[in-house]
Formats: sequence, C-alpha cells, structure tokens
Amino acid sequence: EMQLLESGGGLVQPGGSLRLSCAASDFSFRNYAMTWVRQAPGKGLEWVSVIRADGGATNYADSVNGRFTISRDNSKHTLYLQINSLRAEDTAVYYCAKLSCTSISCYQAGFDPWGQGTQVIVSS
Amino acid sequence: QSALTQPASVSGSPGQSITISCTGTSSDVGGYNLVSWYQQFPGKAPKVMIYEVNKRPSGESNHFSGSKSGNTASLTISGLQAEDEADYYCCSYAGGGTYVFGTGTKVTVL
Repeated sequence: EMQLLESGGGLVQPGGSLRLSCAASDFSFRNYAMTWVRQAPGKGLEWVSVIRADGGATNYADSVNGRFTISRDNSKHTLYLQINSLRAEDTAVYYCAKLSCTSISCYQAGFDPWGQGTQVIVSS
Repeated sequence: QSALTQPASVSGSPGQSITISCTGTSSDVGGYNLVSWYQQFPGKAPKVMIYEVNKRPSGESNHFSGSKSGNTASLTISGLQAEDEADYYCCSYAGGGTYVFGTGTKVTVL
C-alpha cells in the first residue's frame, strides 16, 4: 500500500524557518509529481505547492510564493517544503500527497494518497 | 486563486440523498473536467471519493456520485448513512499547474 509520512513540523517564532519532509514508500516515487496542501486550525484545505516528478518544474499558491520552496530527492524517496519568513497565518497542518503521473498538471486521479500531516505552529 | 464556493453545511436523514455544490469560474471548474471531491473526518487526512468530475476510485462506495454543469460541480450522496458524516471538499485544476479547493461542507446525518 502506498504510504506518505510527513515530519519536521513544530513550534517556530514569526520570521523563522522550517523544512518539512515527506517520506514515500511502496510506490515508484520518481515517477510521480507531488504536492503540499495545508489546513489551518478549524479551516478548509488550501493548496500550497506542486513539483514535477523530476523536480524540473514547480508551482506555488500566491499566498506562499517567494517564501516557500518545494523540492525532492528521488534517491531518498523524499519530498521537502522549505518554509521561510513564517507568519502566524502559516499555522496549519501540512499534508503531502501524490499526483497520478509525472506532470504538475496531472490531476486525472486527484491527490491520492495523502500523508497523515505534520503540524506547524507559528507563535512567539 | 479564490476558493471555490461550497455551502457551509448540508444535512439529511438516513436513506435520503443530498447534493453538495461547488461553484467556481471558467478558469477552474468550468474550464477543465478535473474536479475531485475529498472526504475528511476530524483529525484525519482527506481521502479522494470522486475524480475527473464523476469517476470513483476502485473500492469506493457507489452511493457517491459526481457531476458538473458549467462552472458548478456537484457531489451527490445517495442513501445517506451515519458513517457519511464528515467534511467534504471539492478541488479543481485551475490551469498552469495550479489547483484550488472549495470552502468545504460539513455533512450532518440527522
């Protein structure tokens, strides 16, 4: 069964940085685009970023563009999200999820599966 | 990148059918047949229930169905069951490798 496991969340002061990780198992990670989605406490889902299977193309939501960087290491089957200049409004559970093919536009089967999420709290 | 509009809540009795709407624009819902629906229980990760407007993942119950007309997609739950009580989100491809989620709908089984 395909699995994704996020880590790296925690409590960080405003202006700080974090690197989130998403470890993939039981599927050919290098063949699939990946995405990050977040959910603020008591709020809805918000798409954050996407990366092509080979890492050669990325895209971001306007709300995080310029502060967040998505990357991947296919040799380690791991997806990353570098979050800089953190703000209170970045407080959320961050989920990683798999797309259905290599392209960042590959939404034919939705985002599936999802990891269990990692909590990021931005507070002084 | 404005969120797609969903009703905040929908309720129904067991056995009834309910429909959740998801309204966007011609740049997202109306422009692509790439709308998915996700079910989320409290404290859990979302799970895809419908993809490409009206397709169900293998193994998913057939009492979930999807459709689209113009800029509005819809999720219908037929024969509502207590275990269907959850939050539901639509999500559409919005072009240029971007995606947009709906505002979310809480489904209550009376």
